Amino acid sequence: QQPVQSPQAVILREGEDAVINCSSSKALYSVHWYRQKHGEAPVFLMILLKGGEQKGHEKISASFNEKKQQSSLYLTASQLSYSGTYFCGTEYYRRAGNNRKLIWGLGTSLAVNP
Amino acid sequence: EAQVTQNPRYLITVTGKKLTVTCSQNMNHEYMSWYRQDPGLGLRQIYYSMNVEVTDKGDVPEGYKVSRKEKRNFPLILESPSPNQTSLYFCASSLSVSRAKPYFGPGTRLTVT
Repeated sequence: QQPVQSPQAVILREGEDAVINCSSSKALYSVHWYRQKHGEAPVFLMILLKGGEQKGHEKISASFNEKKQQSSLYLTASQLSYSGTYFCGTEYYRRAGNNRKLIWGLGTSLAVNP
Repeated sequence: EAQVTQNPRYLITVTGKKLTVTCSQNMNHEYMSWYRQDPGLGLRQIYYSMNVEVTDKGDVPEGYKVSRKEKRNFPLILESPSPNQTSLYFCASSLSVSRAKPYFGPGTRLTVT
């Protein structure tokens, strides 16, 4: 059930773009994106709640393709501050109403160099 | 300021000595949970609580206990810590169990020798 993130690691030069994917084998109810610096708490980026939704946060945006059971995070014109590990958290549809929980991918390590 | 607080932030202890990590939120959130994070394994849920007096196991509950007597507090208890519980622990809260942004605490780095 754990979503699969790809790639596992990315190295960029400042100003370059990157795409991080989060894929699921089951239908997704919502997708959350977080960034974490080493040893610190994850920082919320955005949440996508329905298929076709796209959101942006500064130069970071994300899309949610419900049909493909996938979400992608787009980082454009990367900055040094974008370095860290990016996690997606996914919720799945369940027949019972309330026992949902977020299941987290293993993360994508992003390093932005000058 | 909306926040989740955890204490202590760092703890080094010995095998078998009971300890409690506190978690408190000031946002009147219903849903709270505990995660542990280990290299290569991501965030794994230990326990969660949907509201006061309702708690349930997550993916890795062995060796841990929790209680939720008040809405704002959700302590994590290690009755007899072992070295394999050395990890980085995060408490999180959200308005509801579903489709709501989790707010994470700053983390507690626990070392059990």
